[in-house]
Amino acid sequence: EAGVAQSPRYKIIEKRQSVAFWCNPISGHATLYWYQQILGQGPKLLIQFQNNGVVDDSQLPKDRFSAERLKGVDSTLKIQPAKLEDSAVYLCASSFQTGYGYTFGSGTRLTVV
Amino acid sequence: SQQGEEDPQALSIQEGENATMNCSYKTSINNLQWYRQNSGRGLVHLILIRSNEREKHSGRLRVTLDTSKKSSSLLITASRAADTASYFCATDGGGNTPLVFGKGTRLSVIA
Repeated sequence: EAGVAQSPRYKIIEKRQSVAFWCNPISGHATLYWYQQILGQGPKLLIQFQNNGVVDDSQLPKDRFSAERLKGVDSTLKIQPAKLEDSAVYLCASSFQTGYGYTFGSGTRLTVV
Repeated sequence: SQQGEEDPQALSIQEGENATMNCSYKTSINNLQWYRQNSGRGLVHLILIRSNEREKHSGRLRVTLDTSKKSSSLLITASRAADTASYFCATDGGGNTPLVFGKGTRLSVIA
């Protein structure tokens, strides 16, 4: 089966600019996650979708981050405006259902200068 | 917040040796999972152990779970240079809660 697709692979932007990341999960996986991974740390959940509904966005900085999953398939994560501390790898993952392992994409490495 | 805490933070061994990584967590879990991350790549699911299981094997991997001590260990036997990566434990609290990851153990296998 095809894996989780993410784009772009790398992105460099200046602070206060906006950026968007795209994710296409594995077909049939109802649950989609966005994680932020700062260098040297473990992934931290930003938002969890079940189909096209938000399950958990408690750790999403909503003043600058937004995410959507229209039609319950692919998803976009946006940052506007970006700050230096947003420099990280943004990982998208999907799972068949809760209680199962996740399949991760290769991630988008964001550098804010 | 990060629930799992891996130990050690970094581990360097010779090819052919065994590598053991430990994970401790704080709250009750439905299952615990281990993932591998090669530099600059996404995470790869290695193994899942449910709260009612004590040990699980997959190839050269052996995972144990002690729910009374809230701890798990990952053993990689006969390590290879290709096993060089970061290894993360992740806890599943059940229901519809997402995985919570630890900070990881960086394993270096020297040929």
